Amino acid sequence: NAGVTQTPKFQVLKTGQSMTLQCAQDMNHNSMYWYRQDPGMGLRLIYYSASEGTTDKGEVPNGYNVSRLNKREFSLRLESAAPSQTSVYFCASTAGTGGKNEQFFGPGTRLTVL
Amino acid sequence: DAKTTQPPSMDCAEGRAANLPCNHSTISGNEYVYWYRQIHSQGPQYIIHGLKNNETNEMASLIITEDRKSSTLILPHATLRDTAVYYCIVRVAGVDDKIIFGKGTRLHILP
Repeated sequence: NAGVTQTPKFQVLKTGQSMTLQCAQDMNHNSMYWYRQDPGMGLRLIYYSASEGTTDKGEVPNGYNVSRLNKREFSLRLESAAPSQTSVYFCASTAGTGGKNEQFFGPGTRLTVL
Repeated sequence: DAKTTQPPSMDCAEGRAANLPCNHSTISGNEYVYWYRQIHSQGPQYIIHGLKNNETNEMASLIITEDRKSSTLILPHATLRDTAVYYCIVRVAGVDDKIIFGKGTRLHILP
C-alpha cells in the first residue's frame, strides 16, 4: 500500500499561471481532503469530498477548484496563481466509516508562486 | 474556526512525561477528541482518539475530563524524536465533515 500519494513534490509558478495538484489514495477510502499550511502555521482546510461525486468548501476555498475524479483521486486546481498561495499543500483521506476513521496524509506539495 | 484551544509551545525534558493540554469546551456529545502530530514538514500522523473514556495505545495515553471540556495527551517517556507539533481536534467519527485543525502545540524535547 502506497497510502496517499501527491504529485508534484515541488513546484514553482509565476503569478497568473495555473496548475493542478494531484492526489491519489489506494486504501479504498470514501473521503478526501485538501489542506494548506503556511510557514509556522497550522493546517487550514481548503476543500473536502465526503464521497465520490461530492465536494464541499472548507475554511479557505477562494482561488481554488477541486475535482473528485473517482474514488481514488482528488485534484486541486489553481486557475490563476497568486503569491499568497505559496504554501505546502497536504492531501488526506479517511475511510468514512466506523472505527478509528483517522486521517491519512500525503507527503505534501511545496508550492512557490513568484 | 477550530473548536479546540492549545498552548502554542511547551518544553519537556527527555525521559520525562510530556503532558499536552487541550480545551474543547463546546464539544458535542457525539464528537470524539483526536490527536495528531506533525514532525518537521511531514504530513500529520494519527496518535490516538477517544470519546469519554481514557485511552492508551503504544504511542500515548489520552485523558478526557468527566465533563469532556478538556483533555490531555500524555507521552510517557519523551524522546528527542517526539519533538513535533501536536494537534488536538474534535470531530464526529464515522461522519466526514469539515475536519478543522487549529494551530497546535509545538513540543520541544530538551536533552
